[in-house]
Amino acid sequence: SAVISQKPSRDICQRGTSLTIQCQVDSQVTMMFWYRQQPGQSLTLIATANQGSEATYESGFVIDKFPISRPNLTFSTLTVSNMSPEDSSIYLCSVELSYNEQFFGPGTRLTVL
Amino acid sequence: QKEVEQNSGPLSVPEGAIASLNCTYSDRGSQSFFWYRQYSGKSPELIMSIYSNGDKEDGRFTAQLNKASQYVSLLIRDSQPSDSATYLCAGGTRGGNKLTFGTGTQLKVEL
Repeated sequence: SAVISQKPSRDICQRGTSLTIQCQVDSQVTMMFWYRQQPGQSLTLIATANQGSEATYESGFVIDKFPISRPNLTFSTLTVSNMSPEDSSIYLCSVELSYNEQFFGPGTRLTVL
Repeated sequence: QKEVEQNSGPLSVPEGAIASLNCTYSDRGSQSFFWYRQYSGKSPELIMSIYSNGDKEDGRFTAQLNKASQYVSLLIRDSQPSDSATYLCAGGTRGGNKLTFGTGTQLKVEL
């Protein structure tokens, strides 16, 4: 496995502001992913982030709302822009270490007031 | 729409019993399957991967895959209270890196 960290671990934000979540892994990985998990729900993939290319977004998620950076093979950021209470959720990054095996960071718990 | 379906539970089993968790999937192109354990307030933890038909054992865990029936299961032997968690089934597609997750089954192991 790998050691994956996320910052911040939790935050409370005001409506209309933006929050950038960082994901750091202790080894170089090609594929990183960003998920959202709303209370009591399963995981929904937001986007796939490959180093050196634009992130690929899933249906229902757009770059203007969730811009992603992937500057190198160990780091990625997800920004949640112009937040509303509906964005309150847990945001998780994951990395693929072997064939389709994904390992998750500890998550960022976001509350939007 | 590609789906992975699980019974949400809760599934209650007594300590020491075998817990059986089931999952079906709709995408026949799925080639890899995973079971994650998620404790309340924590992130998912990968516990089993299975890629071919049959059984795969790892300690107290056995994953079973039947591609013809599009069915995946996880057996937990000698269930312990520490196994109480939500178990997420996920399927990956051929040539792709994305996973589709089920809604999870809550397992409760009772003393």
